[in-house]
Amino acid sequence: DTGVSQDPRHKITKRGQNVTFRCDPISEHNRLYWYRQTLGQGPEFLTYFQNEAQLEKSRLLSDRFSAERPKGSFSTLEIQRTEQGDSAMYLCASRGSGRYNEQFFGPGTRLTVL
Amino acid sequence: DQQVKQNSPSLSVQEGRISILNCDYTNSMFDYFLWYKKYPAEGPTFLISISSIKDKNEDGRFTVFLNKSAKHLSLHIVPSQPGDSAVYFCAVGSSGSARQLTFGSGTQLTVLP
Repeated sequence: DTGVSQDPRHKITKRGQNVTFRCDPISEHNRLYWYRQTLGQGPEFLTYFQNEAQLEKSRLLSDRFSAERPKGSFSTLEIQRTEQGDSAMYLCASRGSGRYNEQFFGPGTRLTVL
Repeated sequence: DQQVKQNSPSLSVQEGRISILNCDYTNSMFDYFLWYKKYPAEGPTFLISISSIKDKNEDGRFTVFLNKSAKHLSLHIVPSQPGDSAVYFCAVGSSGSARQLTFGSGTQLTVLP
């Protein structure tokens, strides 16, 4: 399978704990995106990487959130001191470098903060 | 402020008939428009896209129409099949930026056999 993969698929944590999610994009894609989706809403943009450089961050990405993409391959999204409001589906997407290339999404990580 | 609106949370259609899903956007800077389909417990799957230089794009049973003056996008599925039952999201982007996508809130399509 050469699609976008995410790990873990589900994460349950207690408020105040730190969590980290991983995304492996399609191998030839140099652009990687993180989105968050809550119930009844569409995905909302969080951050964007081109190769290893984080080029854009949404105002939704508070100081408790940090994302990395070392060596321009896989990416991690860490949430520190989780809050109940962080409960959501975290989606990763990647795309190639063409002008209008669509983004391909992974299956997501479902986070539940108790 | 919602930049992308899908005003119908749900739509039911009989198998074999046409499904029409609608989407409105507010910012004329958007020049790239997409539709995604999402099944429960899966990520969104790309369906079809259109750039602002076109007003129609067709791919098999799926056709996307773009009315730039009205800032309106629609997806036609014909004939509809039960396997099309899913949540459909429209998404818009701008080629001049990182091209993150802005999504609507989705329409749950149910195709009845």
